[in-house]
Amino acid sequence: DSGVTQTPKHLITATGQRVTLRCSPRSGDLSVYWYQQSLDQGLQFLIQYYNGEERAKGNILERFSAQQFPDLHSELNLSSLELGDSALYFCASSVAGRDAVYEQYFGPGTRLTVT
Amino acid sequence: LAKTTQPISMDSYEGQEVNITCSHNNIATNDYITWYQQFPSQGPRFIIQGYKTKVTNEVASLFIPADRKSSTLSLPRVSLSDTAVYYCLVNNAGNMLTFGGGTRLMVKP
Repeated sequence: DSGVTQTPKHLITATGQRVTLRCSPRSGDLSVYWYQQSLDQGLQFLIQYYNGEERAKGNILERFSAQQFPDLHSELNLSSLELGDSALYFCASSVAGRDAVYEQYFGPGTRLTVT
Repeated sequence: LAKTTQPISMDSYEGQEVNITCSHNNIATNDYITWYQQFPSQGPRFIIQGYKTKVTNEVASLFIPADRKSSTLSLPRVSLSDTAVYYCLVNNAGNMLTFGGGTRLMVKP
């Protein structure tokens, strides 16, 4: 158990819909990262937040957005869903912010299926 | 971004030592080398991290030559439960982890 929690574990929805994935980092960790893992594209970094502020952006689509709240939990919002958005979405946390190299702790993931 | 190259797959037998080599020719001065392990439908798990020479912890060793253009993850006496995908990463500024394809290790009885 990494200490990172993600809800829900599974989500099935239809194309065009919007969903919200939730992540609670390990106690004391200030950074939250979101990753997408699909069969054909491997594990892709989406976005990082540090203490409530966006710190780094990866391959995140404009239809996707995220935020980190004052209690440090984070939400990833996916809208206008397409079949290709079906994937495992992982959240990770670490103590670090920018310019530091620290271990990231990954949650169990949310499996999103778009039908 | 420093790109990494590692074998797509490897087979081994229980009790053997497994060495997985990763090349990262354009690694930057401030980059660290980190290895993660991932089981199916689970999030990656940190194994080991190093900057140069040799690092050892309770599960693995990491060997990094002086030029740092490659690194080798060594798993001593593997068991069936070590069957997983192993990712070699080079940590860039800003803490973005760039995962490549990884190496699928299959441990056979």
